[in-house]
Amino acid sequence: DQQVKQNSPSLSVQEGRISILNCDYTNSMFDYFLWYKKYPAEGPTFLISISSIKDKNEDGRFTVFLNKSAKHLSLHIVPSQPGDSAVYFCAASALDFGNEKLTFGTGTRLTIIP
Amino acid sequence: DADVTQTPRNRITKTGKRIMLECSQTKGHDRMYWYRQDPGLGLRLIYYSFDVKDINKGEISDGYSVSRQAQAKFSLSLESAIPNQTALYFCATSVPGPRSPDTQYFGPGTRLTVL
Repeated sequence: DQQVKQNSPSLSVQEGRISILNCDYTNSMFDYFLWYKKYPAEGPTFLISISSIKDKNEDGRFTVFLNKSAKHLSLHIVPSQPGDSAVYFCAASALDFGNEKLTFGTGTRLTIIP
Repeated sequence: DADVTQTPRNRITKTGKRIMLECSQTKGHDRMYWYRQDPGLGLRLIYYSFDVKDINKGEISDGYSVSRQAQAKFSLSLESAIPNQTALYFCATSVPGPRSPDTQYFGPGTRLTVL
């Protein structure tokens, strides 16, 4: 049972335009949501997070939006740059017997077209 | 130098062999994790350790064991490898902070193929 879903395995966007990556979740106990970025032959790196008590968090070109009623979050990248081409993982955090656990989505491969 | 290193980076082995994947970190973090990534399944947690004396199973621990030899070292073993353990394996570290999820720092991954 996939608790965190990224339904688009891939996305192509023109350089300079907005990239929107989507993520859906099913577990109401998740209290933080994170995005990780992964380049080939490297491990994922943390990008941005949002608490479940907020609906928006912005960091430079990256903004994450959370819609709790829809159990949906999205990552906006504006403007998109060639270096943004990577796989993006959505992750959600919840306490499990007192220990915090991350549940990852399946990833979306973003390709920025010059 | 990388803060989280994994050895080997690539390994091909045969069914039934015992294999160990090693992870070392210079970040001084107490918390360490092992994940595997499979196409279409994202990253799944195998084991995690919050300090040297603490080992916990993740969601897919069957067929795996771990050893936390020191704060900086966390090894993953496959006692008898099978083909469906073919995957990309990641080690990660984190340090607890105020009530927000720990930021996890990942190693570069080990690509394991079991024939």
